[in-house]
This record gives sequence, C-alpha cells and structure tokens, in this order.
Amino acid sequence: EPEVTQTPSHQVTQMGQEVILRCVPISNHLYFYWYRQILGQKVEFLVSFYNNEISEKSEIFDDQFSVERPDGSNFTLKIRSTKLEDSAMYFCASSAGQGIEKLFFGSGTQLSVL
Amino acid sequence: GQSLEQPSEVTAVEGAIVQINCTYQTSGFYGLSWYQQHDGGAPTFLSYNALDGLEETGRFSSFLSRSDSYGYLLLQELQMKDSASYFCAVIITGGGNKLTFGTGTQLKVEL
Repeated sequence: EPEVTQTPSHQVTQMGQEVILRCVPISNHLYFYWYRQILGQKVEFLVSFYNNEISEKSEIFDDQFSVERPDGSNFTLKIRSTKLEDSAMYFCASSAGQGIEKLFFGSGTQLSVL
Repeated sequence: GQSLEQPSEVTAVEGAIVQINCTYQTSGFYGLSWYQQHDGGAPTFLSYNALDGLEETGRFSSFLSRSDSYGYLLLQELQMKDSASYFCAVIITGGGNKLTFGTGTQLKVEL
C-alpha cells in the first residue's frame, strides 16, 4: 500500500538553528499538509499546500516557517530559527483530492530543540 | 472559534463494546472524521460522517447528529491492539483545506 514517508525520524538541533523536515507524499496525491503534535497533546494543523501554493495556514505557521515542493516528489517544511517550543513531532500528510476527511499521514519527525 | 471535546480516557475490557464521544462547536460544519494513533505514531483514518446516521466499517462504526453537534466512535469486540488514542476531527466549509483535531481519547483495553 502506498505510504507517506518522512525523513529524518529524529532531529536534534540547537536553538536558533535552521531545520528542514522532508516528506515524500503518496505519488498521485495533490494536497499536502504539515501537522505537529507536542507530546501528549492534540494534533495541530500548520499548513496545507496545493498547486504549488499555500492554501491555508494556522497562527502557528508564522514567518519562521516555510514550505516548498522543490521537485515532483518531495515536500519540505523549513523552520528558519528554531525555538525551544518548536520541539514536537511533525507529521506530513497528503490527500488524493479535496476530500480532506481522509488524510494519509507519515510516521513523523521528532524534532528536539535544545 | 471552534472547539471539540472528547473524554481524555476510557477503559474497557477485551471483547466489550466501547463508545467514544465527541461534541463540537463550530460554524460552517461540514463533516466529522475519526483517526486512531498508537503511541505517537502516524494517525490513521478510521471513519467519516458528513450526514446524520451510522457508518459501519467492520468492528468500527461512527455516528453523527448534526442537530446535536455530536458524534461518536463505536468499537466492538475490543482487542488489546485497539489500545490507542482516538481523535475526532472536523471539516468546516470555507475553512480551506484543513482538518482540525480534537484533544483525543486514550483508550485502554484490559484483559
């Protein structure tokens, strides 16, 4: 069964450093998302992306965050200057169409900011 | 704004039936999805309701009442592997492409 893959599975960084989290969505999917989950809390929406544009973003997704689809397969989330509170599990997801009721999630990248 | 409320924890025994409730307050409600998450792993889609009534998928069923702003996930013939967190998530019209998750219910299945 096709799946969303994310790399790395764990990322440790120093506060103030830039990180890039990588995702390969399911190949025929058109809509892409980033969510994050702080330990023990709910899954929080960050951003959705379609047709090479951000279609929706949350208040969390401030100027420190950016997303990019650099080629036909990868989808990246960049955090320019990490803060301690950015420590979380970051999930990439994709959906086939506008039916966003069913998202396919990757296994996540655990980001630890020290 | 939006709010989704779920019980934080539910405990049940193997073989039993358990119901996880979700109440929501949001304008422009379109539909309600349910996801399962094991130990911080990838959330996995379980079920979706856009219309009132019951949707059945094997051992799992989901119910929606739009007039009551309420839904539930019903798990039958519980197995130990069903121990996980369960999240309801709403889709709202005019909300762009996003799914907003509730706080999650930790289900513990005991022998």
